[in-house]
Amino acid sequence: GAVVSQHPSRVICKSGTSVKIECRSLDFQATTMFWYRQFPKQSLMLMATSNEGSKATYEQGVEKDKFLINHASLTLSTLTVTSAHPEDSSFYICSAAGLAGTTDTQYFGPGTRLTVL
Amino acid sequence: QKEVEQNSGPLSVPEGAIASLNCTYSDRGSQSFFWYRQYSGKSPELIMFIYSNGDKEDGRFTAQLNKASQYVSLLIRDSQPSDSATYLCAVPTGGFKTIFGAGTRLFVKA
Repeated sequence: GAVVSQHPSRVICKSGTSVKIECRSLDFQATTMFWYRQFPKQSLMLMATSNEGSKATYEQGVEKDKFLINHASLTLSTLTVTSAHPEDSSFYICSAAGLAGTTDTQYFGPGTRLTVL
Repeated sequence: QKEVEQNSGPLSVPEGAIASLNCTYSDRGSQSFFWYRQYSGKSPELIMFIYSNGDKEDGRFTAQLNKASQYVSLLIRDSQPSDSATYLCAVPTGGFKTIFGAGTRLFVKA
């Protein structure tokens, strides 16, 4: 159990375009999903926390109008990088929590590698 | 500010040895502690978690928790080259948030 998928696994886009990344919990209902960004050889950086049916909570310094998060159901959250620029190139990882009624344990998706040209 | 500290490494051990990874945390109220493994270019995967003081064993992995010292460790017995990765210590803070350490890079030499 506790499988989380992400799609796409890799995306290359032109500067100024928008990219949508999907995160799905395949075998449990995720009451909470998290979005992280990780630059090469650096640690995970939490971008935002989303709970199903409510607005995401963004970390300090993360632009909510640039990184749109939608958590429409207990199994799906999406992150849209709007007007992407080369500095947005990174490894974006989602995680899902809520298995067995606890949000302490996070199960990570495989990540999406975004390259903005 | 709540913090989770790890030695960044790299920690280098020979194949077959015991690798010891350490983590300290600042919030005395923390109740649960997690270890994740992250291979280069991949996302983290859960190894194990521990709630109670003492040791918890799962295969070649042993988590050790000392709440009085605010210290949690992960021991890997019979280390294999495939264990070479970055190990992340994670401490939920309550309110849906988890603080991750920066990770310790482990290198197991064949």
